[in-house]
This record gives sequence, C-alpha cells and structure tokens, in this order.
Amino acid sequence: GQNIDQPTEMTATEGAIVQINCTYQTSGFNGLFWYQQHAGEAPTFLSYNVLDGLEEKGRFSSFLSRSKGYSYLLLKELQMKDSASYLCAVADSNYQLIWGAGTKLIIKP
Amino acid sequence: ETGVTQTPRHLVMGMTNKKSLKCEQHLGHNAMYWYKQSAKKPLELMFVYNFKEQTENNSVPSRFSPECPNSSHLFLHLHTLQPEDSALYLCASSQGDLAGANTGELFFGEGSRLTVL
Repeated sequence: GQNIDQPTEMTATEGAIVQINCTYQTSGFNGLFWYQQHAGEAPTFLSYNVLDGLEEKGRFSSFLSRSKGYSYLLLKELQMKDSASYLCAVADSNYQLIWGAGTKLIIKP
Repeated sequence: ETGVTQTPRHLVMGMTNKKSLKCEQHLGHNAMYWYKQSAKKPLELMFVYNFKEQTENNSVPSRFSPECPNSSHLFLHLHTLQPEDSALYLCASSQGDLAGANTGELFFGEGSRLTVL
C-alpha cells in the first residue's frame, strides 16, 4: 500500500530552528508537497519538490531525497505564527495526492 | 471575493436531515475537489471534477452526492448521514487535476465543519 509518515506533534522555541520529517512509500513519484494549516483555516501551499536537493524560500526550506523516500521541511527563526499543522503529500504515478496525517507544530516563547 | 469560499462554515444536522455544502472558486481553475479531514488522519479525497466532469469517486458512500454545475461551483449534498461522518469537509481547486503536473498546487477553502447528531 501507499503510505506517508510524519511525526504527530513537535514542540520548538521561538527563534529556534525545527525540522519536520516526512517519509513515503508510494506507487511512483511525481513530486512532494508541503502545506501549512493553521487551526480552523484552509491548508495553504508551502513548497513543491520533484528533484533531489534543497529548495529555499525565505525562512522555510524543503529537502527531498527520492532514493531514500524522504523529505524534510526546515523552519528557521521560528515565530509564534508558525504554530500550525504541516501536511506532507506525494503525487503518485497517477498524479494522485497521497497525504500524511500532518505534524502539529507548537511554538513556545 | 478571492480564492475558494465554502458555506456554511459550520453545520449541525440529524441523521435524517438533508443538507448541502457549497463551494465557489474565483481563480479560474478547471478542477475542483472535495476532501474529508478528520482529526489526526490524512486528508481523504472524496470527489474530483475536471471541467465539470467527475473524474474521481473514491468509493464514497452514496449518502454523499456531489454536483458540479460549472467550473466555479461545487456542491456536496448530504442525506441520512451517520455520526462517523462528522468531520471538516474541505473544498479545493487547481488549474489541472493532475497533482505534480505544473506543480498541481491546490487552493483550499476554509472548510465546512459538519457535526452529525
């Protein structure tokens, strides 16, 4: 079967760095997405990786290793507003999205 | 208005009621989706429409009935639901219905929180 694994919850301190991991086993691969979802709000697109390596976008970076079936989302200079759930999703060989259950990130002052 | 709008934001219904969820997108996208989001579970894809044609029905019970009259509007008609159907129902749109093709970024509405008593 197809599976996406990510930690259920993480806690970090304001101003610090946190890395949220995502491992996947899917039938084919056509890219990996990260979405951010604040409580009671819509998920919003953060990043898309289809080639190996690191993609940097401001304080957020996303890394992909296709050979390892692994990605991480790196958040730097954490702010209280970064408290949210972070959803990992992989597009399979049919371009259908397989979703992880999300990682709830709690930022403490 | 911009983006994807869902109404109502909250809905409480009995198991014998009939209600509908509405979604409207103002992004000029061709594809629209219904997802179910339950606590601590992955998003579950329910239905996909591309250019008003249903392209995906993910073995959803018939008590959920989608309707897509045009590329901008999507409905989810609900009848004789069960308590386990209580969840957040998210609507999304994208330029095409192939995730990963041209990034395939999804634009989500804020969801309709459904409680079935």
